[in-house]
Amino acid sequence: KAGVTQTPRYLIKTRGQQVTLSCSPISGHRSVSWYQQTPGQGLQFLFEYFSETQRNKGNFPGRFSGRQFSNSRSEMNVSTLELGDSALYLCASSPGGQGRLKDTQYFGPGTRLTVL
Amino acid sequence: SQELEQSPQSLIVQEGKNLTINCTSSKTLYGLYWYKQKYGEGLIFLMMLQKGGEEKSHEKITAKLDEKKQQSSLHITASQPSHAGIYLCGADPGGYQKVTFGTGTKLQVIP
Repeated sequence: KAGVTQTPRYLIKTRGQQVTLSCSPISGHRSVSWYQQTPGQGLQFLFEYFSETQRNKGNFPGRFSGRQFSNSRSEMNVSTLELGDSALYLCASSPGGQGRLKDTQYFGPGTRLTVL
Repeated sequence: SQELEQSPQSLIVQEGKNLTINCTSSKTLYGLYWYKQKYGEGLIFLMMLQKGGEEKSHEKITAKLDEKKQQSSLHITASQPSHAGIYLCGADPGGYQKVTFGTGTKLQVIP
């Protein structure tokens, strides 16, 4: 099976612009989660989608949004970019079962976003 | 919210030496993931521990979960340069894939 893929791998934007990142989960996986990783804050949860519905959300401003399509592919969008949004954005997919630790998350290689 | 603290923050060991990384939770651990990350890349799943007292091994890596201590440890035997990277522990208390990750331990293995 192919792993989780993310596009693009690298992105350079300027302040005020918006950006859309894409994530294709492992075939058959219905849950997609997004994380932001920075040297200062570490790995932080953004949101999780399951069957096109946002099930969970982290503590990020409304500039960060996402969606999931019927084929489970997901996109996240960041509007009005700030310098502090420079980070590695990782998505992870899992089958999507409920309950504690029923599913293992498998991560993509990430998209490195640089905001100038 | 749950917080996970890892120790040490960084570790430099000589090839062939054993090492242990700890992950301590601020709340009850119902289970734990261990991941490895090469710098700037995605996370590679190592193992998942679901029950207190559970111990799992994969090649030269062994992880244990101590629910009472709210702690997990990752032990590497006879370290190799291929073990170098950042090790992250993660917990998902809500069961909805909202994983909280630890601060990470950076491991360097000197040949």
